[in-house]
Amino acid sequence: DQQVKQNSPSLSVQEGRISILNCDYTNSMFDYFLWYKKYPAEGPTFLISISSIKDKNEDGRFTVFLNKSAKHLSLHIVPSQPGDSAVYFCAASADMNRDDKIIFGKGTRLHILP
Amino acid sequence: ETGVTQSPTHLIKTRGQQVTLRCSSQSGHNTVSWYQQALGQGPQFIFQYYREEENGRGNFPPRFSGLQFPNYSSELNVNALELDDSALYLCASSLLRGEETQYFGPGTRLLVL
Repeated sequence: DQQVKQNSPSLSVQEGRISILNCDYTNSMFDYFLWYKKYPAEGPTFLISISSIKDKNEDGRFTVFLNKSAKHLSLHIVPSQPGDSAVYFCAASADMNRDDKIIFGKGTRLHILP
Repeated sequence: ETGVTQSPTHLIKTRGQQVTLRCSSQSGHNTVSWYQQALGQGPQFIFQYYREEENGRGNFPPRFSGLQFPNYSSELNVNALELDDSALYLCASSLLRGEETQYFGPGTRLLVL
């Protein structure tokens, strides 16, 4: 049973446009959400996070939106750049201080087209 | 400041064998987590070590075991390898237990034949 779902295995976006990556979760106990980016032959790199007390967090070109009632979050990248081509993982945790594990989605491969 | 390193980068074993994978945490980080990433899947949590003690475990059988050393480097041991153990094994370190931001190593790709 997948608790964190990324239903789009891949996404292609024109350079300069907005990339929107979506993530749904089923566990209402999740209260912390993270996005990681992964290039081939490298480990995932932390990108941005959001706690459940917020509905938006912004860091430069990256913004994460959280809709708790819909159990949905999204990552917006504006403007998209060629270096953004990578696999993006959505992840969630119930309580980091209780050492609960982080649950990852399967990832979405983003292709930025020239 | 050095990042998280893992060795070896690639490994081929046969079913039934045992394997040890190694991880060197980022400088100053006292918490390390291990993940298994099968092809087409996201990383799956195996276990976490904090100051040399196991500190949380995912749904993996006991033949997956680990160690963390006083210098906070870590090992993942897998006994009685099965074909389904073929995967990328990632370790991630964090500065504090419970810290959200984990720094991942490049992984060890294990192939079990």
